[in-house]
Amino acid sequence: GQSLEQPSEVTAVEGAIVQINCTYQTSGFYGLSWYQQHDGGAPTFLSYNALDGLEETGRFSSFLSRSDSYGYLLLQELQMKDSASYFCAVRDQSRDDKIIFGKGTRLHILP
Amino acid sequence: DAGITQSPRYKITETGRQVTLMCHQTWSHSYMFWYRQDLGHGLRLIYYSAAADITDKGEVPDGYVVSRSKTENFPLTLESATRSQTSVYFCASSDVELAGVSTDTQYFGPGTRLTVL
Repeated sequence: GQSLEQPSEVTAVEGAIVQINCTYQTSGFYGLSWYQQHDGGAPTFLSYNALDGLEETGRFSSFLSRSDSYGYLLLQELQMKDSASYFCAVRDQSRDDKIIFGKGTRLHILP
Repeated sequence: DAGITQSPRYKITETGRQVTLMCHQTWSHSYMFWYRQDLGHGLRLIYYSAAADITDKGEVPDGYVVSRSKTENFPLTLESATRSQTSVYFCASSDVELAGVSTDTQYFGPGTRLTVL
């Protein structure tokens, strides 16, 4: 079976840095993805890590440690528009490689 | 280039009625998916399709029917709607890797908010 654990809510201040963690248990592992979803909107793909280490894309970075079954999304120089829900996702070999999503982390940003 | 679209965006129906939600993508992606999103449950896979005429059940398929006669369309039908099917429904598509499995990058439509009274 599989499970993805991420905090339900995180609060941070505008201009600061915030880290959203995700731990996973899967039958087989390909990589960890992150999606962003604004209220009333659709999930949009942010990043994908297949190998250990940090991947940087502008203000957003994503990290993976395969040995720890752990990853995180790092958001720097937070802006109010970053207020959204963030989902981690993995493909699960026990479910025909279908992508399984975590329940999401709601990021609140304070001015 | 519209990408992936869903219709209708909002729908109110009554218990027992049949409802069809439409999904259309212009990328010729092999894989298409239907999810429902409810508070506390995140995104749950209803059905998916690896190619035209190939569909398979996801995590919560009961009460739903899908078809895929053309690569670009993947309609979802609620045969007899129930209140528990009130939800936001997202269609998504993804390309295929060399190994023939779906890539990890999924592209989502704007969603259909369905209310069953």
